[in-house]
Amino acid sequence: GAVVSQHPSRVICKSGTSVKIECRSLDFQATTMFWYRQFPKQSLMLMATSNEGSKATYEQGVEKDKFLINHASLTLSTLTVTSAHPEDSSFYICSASHQGLEAYEQYFGPGTRLTVT
Amino acid sequence: AQSVTQLGSHVSVSEGALVLLRCNYSSSVPPYLFWYVQYPNQGLQLLLKYTSAATLVKGINGFEAEFKKSETSFHLTKPSAHMSDAAEYFCAVRLMVGGKLIFGQGTELSVKP
Repeated sequence: GAVVSQHPSRVICKSGTSVKIECRSLDFQATTMFWYRQFPKQSLMLMATSNEGSKATYEQGVEKDKFLINHASLTLSTLTVTSAHPEDSSFYICSASHQGLEAYEQYFGPGTRLTVT
Repeated sequence: AQSVTQLGSHVSVSEGALVLLRCNYSSSVPPYLFWYVQYPNQGLQLLLKYTSAATLVKGINGFEAEFKKSETSFHLTKPSAHMSDAAEYFCAVRLMVGGKLIFGQGTELSVKP
């Protein structure tokens, strides 16, 4: 089956620093990747959609200068949280999809727990 | 606008009892519907999906869901709960191929021994 990995699984950083989270599709080419944020005991909130080689499309209310998304290849997308603050602490989950018979399905990564101190 | 509503943020059942998690959607066109399960500190795992084929969909781990257009529902069921079913469950709708997933609020399932 389609596998999506995220790295790191857990990261702690100091306020004001930047942190990068990687999302990789391991056995398929992901034409589209999605980034979600999840607060404790809440649902997933879509932050942005990225297509390989294009600029990401951000959801309303998501600061594109703070959450930099790059989708430079068909197997890798990165989310960089710039100048992180404690309120950015959250669980970040990526998902990936690809053209083909299962194009309506998204495959999710295991998530990255970000803690900003 | 499309939306998904999950009735009940928390459901508790006894081991061996029927599991019923409710999901209603609103959509002006036939949607694609999904149920995902999330264990603590993990990503989402697809349980099953409806893509306009059979209205009764069977998924993994003994779960199934029935698409009822007249009721705009896609409730998730399992005849006999197992302790390992305790998790958070999300219903989601996707309107078209490549479209965004819209998630419900989630239902936490607890299973009592």
